[in-house]
Amino acid sequence: GAVVSQHPSWVICKSGTSVKIECRSLDFQATTMFWYRQFPKQSLMLMATSNEGSKATYEQGVEKDKFLINHASLTLSTLTVTSAHPEDSSFYICSAKSRTGRTEQYFGPGTRLTVT
Amino acid sequence: EDQVTQSPEALRLQEGESSSLNCSYTVSGLRGLFWYRQDPGKGPEFLFTLYSAGEEKEKERLKATLTKKESFLHITAPKPEDSATYLCAVQANLFDQAGTALIFGKGTTLSVSS
Repeated sequence: GAVVSQHPSWVICKSGTSVKIECRSLDFQATTMFWYRQFPKQSLMLMATSNEGSKATYEQGVEKDKFLINHASLTLSTLTVTSAHPEDSSFYICSAKSRTGRTEQYFGPGTRLTVT
Repeated sequence: EDQVTQSPEALRLQEGESSSLNCSYTVSGLRGLFWYRQDPGKGPEFLFTLYSAGEEKEKERLKATLTKKESFLHITAPKPEDSATYLCAVQANLFDQAGTALIFGKGTTLSVSS
């Protein structure tokens, strides 16, 4: 149980284009989903928290107009990187917290974004 | 400022050589401490949650313990398949019901050779 999927697992795009990453909780309903970014040999940095049906809360320093987050249902959240630049290249990971009240977050397998 | 520090940064063990990983934390109010395992190019895999000092959790060769200032992840008789980066995270803001964000340490990369 508690499986989270991400799609795509890797993507290469050209500078200036937009990329959408999907995060799905497969066997549970997630009231809250989180988006993290991880650089090589670094730990996870929280970008934003999204609750189903409401606007995402972004961490300080994260541009909300560049990283668009939509949490349309209890099993799906999307992250859209708009007008991507090479510095946006990174490993993006989502996590989901069950609506059952348990505190654990379950992570997806991650999406490797490369902007050329 | 809430902070999580893991040590050592890297650890090399021989198969069967037991050891411990450390996670020191300072938070305004601990809601929970979490251990995850992360393999290269993959998302973190949940291992344990600890809520209060004195609590212990076990899973196969891993045992996590918690005090008021730190947590240890003990690895008994490790095998090469235990090689991974182990991440410690805390959830703070005990009195803030909306505060569910995790604060991660930088991780300990464990290499177990046969």
